[in-house]
Amino acid sequence: EDQVTQSPEALRLQEGESSSLNCSYTVSGLRGLFWYRQDPGKGPEFLFTLYSAGEEKEKERLKATLTKKESFLHITAPKPEDSATYLCAVQPSQGAQKLVFGQGTRLTINP
Amino acid sequence: NAGVTQTPKFQVLKTGQSMTLQCAQDMNHEYMSWYRQDPGMGLRLIHYSVGAGITDQGEVPNGYNVSRSTTEDFPLRLLSAAPSQTSVYFCASSWGQGGGYTFGSGTRLTVV
Repeated sequence: EDQVTQSPEALRLQEGESSSLNCSYTVSGLRGLFWYRQDPGKGPEFLFTLYSAGEEKEKERLKATLTKKESFLHITAPKPEDSATYLCAVQPSQGAQKLVFGQGTRLTINP
Repeated sequence: NAGVTQTPKFQVLKTGQSMTLQCAQDMNHEYMSWYRQDPGMGLRLIHYSVGAGITDQGEVPNGYNVSRSTTEDFPLRLLSAAPSQTSVYFCASSWGQGGGYTFGSGTRLTVV
């Protein structure tokens, strides 16, 4: 069964304090791994797609990395506006029409 | 370019009532999906479509129907609403396999 586990469930940081969010996955074959940001009352907003182990993508203060078993979302010198829930999802090779989501990490950046 | 548009944003139904959640996209995406989001459960796939006239079930399809008569529209029908269907519903679309999905802003549904 395809499964995604994100940790921690919640994370509080001070502004400027860098950290990483973890996404562990089990999938029969990986077509892609996705990171989304979700603000309260809104839909998930696409951040990154990673396709193969060793791949890295960056956007402003965020960098996503991928291994064969997990992905990390590194947040460097975060600002209060980075506060959101970050969702990880995998797209299996078989049944690639669907995304299997983790439960998310709720990130709070205090000024 | 509006992206993915969902209506209504909020809805309250009585048990047993039926309704349709609307979803439209203007990006000419082939893939469209419906998810529900519940506290502690994450996003779960209800139904999906890989093109006009083609639909299939996801993880939690019971109590819901879909159809895809055009590329742009993918409505979700609740046949006889139950309190267990209280949730936030998201529609999403993608150009195809491996493509990032664009999500709508959601419909918050309460069944009393």
